[in-house]
Amino acid sequence: EVQLVESGGGLVHPGGSLRLSCVVSGFTFNNYWMAWFRQAPGRGLEWVANINQDGSTIFDVDSLRERFTISRDNAKNSLFLQMTSLRADDTAVYYCAREDGYNTNDYWGQGTLVTVSS
Amino acid sequence: DVVMTQSPLSLPVTLGQPASISCRSSRSLVNSDGNTYLNWFQQRPGQSPRRLIYKVSNRDSGVPDRFSGSGSGTDFTLKISRVEAEDVGVYYCMQGTHWPRTFGQGTKLEIK
Repeated sequence: EVQLVESGGGLVHPGGSLRLSCVVSGFTFNNYWMAWFRQAPGRGLEWVANINQDGSTIFDVDSLRERFTISRDNAKNSLFLQMTSLRADDTAVYYCAREDGYNTNDYWGQGTLVTVSS
Repeated sequence: DVVMTQSPLSLPVTLGQPASISCRSSRSLVNSDGNTYLNWFQQRPGQSPRRLIYKVSNRDSGVPDRFSGSGSGTDFTLKISRVEAEDVGVYYCMQGTHWPRTFGQGTKLEIK
């Protein structure tokens, strides 16, 4: 069974940092592109970043590139999102997702909530 | 960025009746490889998104056949032939042809 489990969310002050993790199981992690998405409270879905199988290629949102960094550790079946200089409008549920061969995401984690507030 | 525009944003439907959601893109979603990467997701209340349809019209495993996708170029549609109570939630289209990936605003389906 394919599983993606995010962790690392929580309450952080404006200007702070967090590192989100996503541990996967049930499939060969290093065969797949992976992605992060986010969803602000009561809002729609927003794509954040993609990373290829060996981490050598990244696509990400222009407006977040200076503060958010996607990475992966294939030996640990783990995907990461390093977030710095966090702002109130980064408050959201962050989802990791597997990308299949159709430029889309077939499996999603349950999400981890990041709250940026003083 | 490719803008994805869904309509309607709110969709009250009587149980057993059909429903239709439109998704229009600001640019053609035909990729250089000839494929059109338009997807539909369902998000039930309190749950993660679930993919229903990929590449315009391909249903994911386990998705009831009352869901169907169609369209081409910039104009796409998700149809539910007979709405059931479990279909309540928000439906999103998403394009995977161009970077950045972009979503429609979402259509909230509720039972009348």
